Amino acid sequence: GAGVSQSPSNKVTEKGKDVELRCDPISGHTALYWYRQSLGQGLEFLIYFQGNSAPDKSGLPSDRFSAERTGGSVSTLTIQRTQQEDSAVYLCASSLASGLYEQYFGPGTRLTVT
Amino acid sequence: DAKTTQPTSMDCAEGRAANLPCNHSTISGNEYVYWYRQIHSQGPQYIIHGLKNNETNEMASLIITEDRKSSTLILPHATLRDTAVYYCIVRVANSGGYQKVTFGIGTKLQVIP
Repeated sequence: GAGVSQSPSNKVTEKGKDVELRCDPISGHTALYWYRQSLGQGLEFLIYFQGNSAPDKSGLPSDRFSAERTGGSVSTLTIQRTQQEDSAVYLCASSLASGLYEQYFGPGTRLTVT
Repeated sequence: DAKTTQPTSMDCAEGRAANLPCNHSTISGNEYVYWYRQIHSQGPQYIIHGLKNNETNEMASLIITEDRKSSTLILPHATLRDTAVYYCIVRVANSGGYQKVTFGIGTKLQVIP
């Protein structure tokens, strides 16, 4: 079956612009996670959704970052007034539920802020 | 969640077993050990997980010490396609249904022809 998909695969934007990154989880997966990975770094947790609600937003680095999920499926991560330090690969993962289920990752969106 | 420590990098000859260690000395009784890997330019991929018994699947084996303070991921016959960064993480079994997963920088495994 189809895995987690993300779009766009690459995004180049100017500093100060807003960007939206999209994640389509595996059908039927209720839990969805956003991470980011800067060059040479590990994965940094951003936010977690169970259904449409986000019980843990603790990883969002600033109030410029927000995310939503609709219909228990697609999620959008929005970064407002992008800064150069926002440049990273943004990864989305989904799992069958939020318990002890392995996470399946998408290919990521490479964001470059110039 | 318990912190894990892994070597930054390792080399392994193609066809030989790759043994990747992980220390998780502060692991608690309800935390599982998970391994993921990330091949260059791809998202992480689940490999295997275990609680206290050794586990084996089609990808790898997981050996967990009796005191559960360390584990070893074994790729029995490494191929060039196994070159990747390998992440060892620990996750609470039941925490109100939610688990925040923290990935460190992992071990970069280079399989050498």
